[in-house]
Amino acid sequence: ILNVEQSPQSLHVQEGDSTNFTCSFPSSNFYALHWYRWETAKSPEALFVMTLNGDEKKKGRISATLNTKEGYSYLYIKGSQPEDSATYLCASGGNPWNRDDKIIFGKGTRLHILP
Amino acid sequence: EAQVTQNPRYLITVTGKKLTVTCSQNMNHEYMSWYRQDPGLGLRQIYYSMNVEVTDKGDVPEGYKVSRKEKRNFPLILESPSPNQTSLYFCASSFSYQYLGYGYTFGSGTRLTVV
Repeated sequence: ILNVEQSPQSLHVQEGDSTNFTCSFPSSNFYALHWYRWETAKSPEALFVMTLNGDEKKKGRISATLNTKEGYSYLYIKGSQPEDSATYLCASGGNPWNRDDKIIFGKGTRLHILP
Repeated sequence: EAQVTQNPRYLITVTGKKLTVTCSQNMNHEYMSWYRQDPGLGLRQIYYSMNVEVTDKGDVPEGYKVSRKEKRNFPLILESPSPNQTSLYFCASSFSYQYLGYGYTFGSGTRLTVV
């Protein structure tokens, strides 16, 4: 069973500052990594799905990188805005053809943007 | 609009009274899954389905049942709810179990309280 760790658990960032946080996952048998944004009282929404070592994805001010050899992904937010306040979840999965290799979610990083 | 519809959003029930939480998706997704979210824990998978009539246990299946008679619907059944099943439940779907390149679409969640 995969163990997906996210750090930090919680983060306070001044509006306008940039920030980043980490998702760590076992590098053996890696297949895909997902990032989700989860606003309070809503449901998680997919940000990125990454599969290849060295992948970089970008959506507006948010970007993500992936290192499958060492088992980590970074999520970056440039110029934080109040609407970025949310919990950011990552999920990693192994071989999807192997029923035992399910996609596992981390506990999330709770981001608070301070005005 | 492409979406996963969960009902009800909120439910308070008594121990032992059977209940069903419905989940329906309109995206012709093959893969559907149920998760529960508890404080301090990540999203934990209860059951999943790779296609019609194909269901399998996730990490925390005890006390739950599911069925997948049609592609669009994946109800979660609690035959005899107990207080330890008080939780926030999410239904999620994806184009394929082979989730390369596809994120999950989540329903809006069901807050269940068992007294």
